[in-house]
Amino acid sequence: NAGVTQTPKFQVLKTGQSMTLQCAQDMNHNSMYWYRQDPGMGLRLIYYSASEGTTDKGEVPNGYNVSRLNKREFSLRLESAAPSQTSVYFCASFRDRASYNSPLHFGNGTRLTVT
Amino acid sequence: KQEVTQIPAALSVPEGENLVLNCSFTDSAIYNLQWFRQDPGKGLTSLLLIQSSQREQTSGRLNASLDKSSGRSTLYIAASQPGDSATYLCAGSETSGSRLTFGEGTQLTVNP
Repeated sequence: NAGVTQTPKFQVLKTGQSMTLQCAQDMNHNSMYWYRQDPGMGLRLIYYSASEGTTDKGEVPNGYNVSRLNKREFSLRLESAAPSQTSVYFCASFRDRASYNSPLHFGNGTRLTVT
Repeated sequence: KQEVTQIPAALSVPEGENLVLNCSFTDSAIYNLQWFRQDPGKGLTSLLLIQSSQREQTSGRLNASLDKSSGRSTLYIAASQPGDSATYLCAGSETSGSRLTFGEGTQLTVNP
């Protein structure tokens, strides 16, 4: 039972390069989320998808795009990376759309450095 | 907009001590409150979830309480062990429940 799987685990980009962070869950969860974690800032929501086919902006969406490819997969794209996007990125999923009283499951993160 | 604060940022205790971690939130119309554990280089693991209609939840040596009127939650860890060393984060949901706002966490060190 893999849970939430994120790839890659580590990435170094130069300013202006693009990349896609991949996330997949095998728990048949409806809702999926992308967070970034920075020292002194805690975890901040970038985008989320309450169900397959829908996506919504979170607290810090600028510079990012997302795709909910199917129920399992939710990807995060950086079109033109900036040093301010150096962070640890976490994908998470939630089981139930009707009631959000279920725990959030996290992947192990992608550590991204933009030089 | 929900805001969540955790104090202290770091805590160091000797093994065997009972301890309390604190979490404050600004919006009393909270849908639920979750406590997570994060080990270095890892993702977050859910420990306890307290629904808005509940006052506390227990799992093993952990007990979490929720007081909506005062905007506070506590995580009580009984008989702490070195393996409890980690960062503990709380997260409060907005009224719909779909989005969580996280505190910055308390880094706990339990010394043998």
